[in-house]
Amino acid sequence: GQQLNQSPQSMFIQEGEDVSMNCTSSSIFNTWLWYKQEPGEGPVLLIALYKAGELTSNGRLTAQFGITRKDSFLNISASIPSDVGIYFCAGNDGGTSYGKLTFGQGTILTVHP
Amino acid sequence: EAGVAQSPRYKIIEKRQSVAFWCNPISGHATLYWYQQILGQGPKLLIQFQNNGVVDDSQLPKDRFSAERLKGVDSTLKIQPAKLEDSAVYLCASKLLAGAFDEQFFGPGTRLTVL
Repeated sequence: GQQLNQSPQSMFIQEGEDVSMNCTSSSIFNTWLWYKQEPGEGPVLLIALYKAGELTSNGRLTAQFGITRKDSFLNISASIPSDVGIYFCAGNDGGTSYGKLTFGQGTILTVHP
Repeated sequence: EAGVAQSPRYKIIEKRQSVAFWCNPISGHATLYWYQQILGQGPKLLIQFQNNGVVDDSQLPKDRFSAERLKGVDSTLKIQPAKLEDSAVYLCASKLLAGAFDEQFFGPGTRLTVL
């Protein structure tokens, strides 16, 4: 089946630093999404990307849909303690199930004040 | 607007016992999903409903897992009998549209521990 490889697995950074994480796939996706999950909660959508090459921002977050449609990147600028959590990439291949998502393994982000 | 509700939030059972989880999606949402999230991994889709019909259950272990969405609103997921490897968080998600791609909203999940 489809697999998403997300890296790095974890990051320990100082408040104020920038963060980059990426996700690669062996197959093409029509839509890439980035989610954040905090302890005891379900994932919350941060950014959705619908077009190859698209660059989209949401506050301090910026994500890009790779040209090959097999990868995506998420950057967080000027990190703050509340950015702590697990970040997941997810892809949708546009099949007939409309909305079936394949998730990466997650990147655990720790921000030291 | 109320979010996706799930209960119970936590459940501890012994292997070979049965367990059921309940999900109430956001009002008016046509599509409902159940995901399994094992510790250290991303969510994995188990089953997708569109209204009260199953769209995709290809990754549901049908020998022990079952799910239903009567009347196209709330849903239950059952495991019978449970195995140790079923220990995970079970997430329910819903989205408004049936035949198009739009945002999924996740509930807080039920954390299952099988001893």
